[in-house]
Amino acid sequence: DAKTTQPPSMDCAEGRAANLPCNHSTISGNEYVYWYRQIHSQGPQYIIHGLKNNETNEMASLIITEDRKSSTLILPHATLRDTAVYYCIVRVQNNAGNMLTFGGGTRLMVKP
Amino acid sequence: NAGVTQTPKFRVLKTGQSMTLLCAQDMNHEYMYWYRQDPGMGLRLIHYSVGEGTTAKGEVPDGYNVSRLKKQNFLLGLESAAPSQTSVYFCASRETVNQETQYFGPGTRLLVL
Repeated sequence: DAKTTQPPSMDCAEGRAANLPCNHSTISGNEYVYWYRQIHSQGPQYIIHGLKNNETNEMASLIITEDRKSSTLILPHATLRDTAVYYCIVRVQNNAGNMLTFGGGTRLMVKP
Repeated sequence: NAGVTQTPKFRVLKTGQSMTLLCAQDMNHEYMYWYRQDPGMGLRLIHYSVGEGTTAKGEVPDGYNVSRLKKQNFLLGLESAAPSQTSVYFCASRETVNQETQYFGPGTRLLVL
């Protein structure tokens, strides 16, 4: 799996958009970008994933640059409950035994 | 639909004791995983299973055994607990090889004294 780089921490005001960047300059053509988050003392939670097109679901939007070397997770209206560690993971799809390799992640603090 | 559940939530063991952690999922998922997470670190895969009756080693399998006798259950055993196995253990499940999303349980906190 390609290595990812994320800022260790970010703050965001409640109600504002939270933009979390991720660099994955060594990504290869068949690797997807996945985002998970882990709220304190809970199990990780899937957020969104994509290959090269931008994606949106009920939780977030994922913007992937044209060269696929970086991406941004956008939480459009952050709430206090979005305070968590956010992990950007790059991996090949369709591999049964492929574990999720979590790096350091970004600790997002949403403040009132 | 409870998703992925884990039992127990918390346990204290003495060195050398044994125990079994139970993971159950009601989503009819084929794949199940056991991870451990140490303070300030990411997840490390212990063992996984691609279907009933099958298991495979992950990144850190030593000191653990697993069984998948029923599709919905994945058991993680510690035969002789060591302080190095103090950790939070997460179970996850995944529908099929074409569905990449993993769904995690709430975790089991294990302290080995």
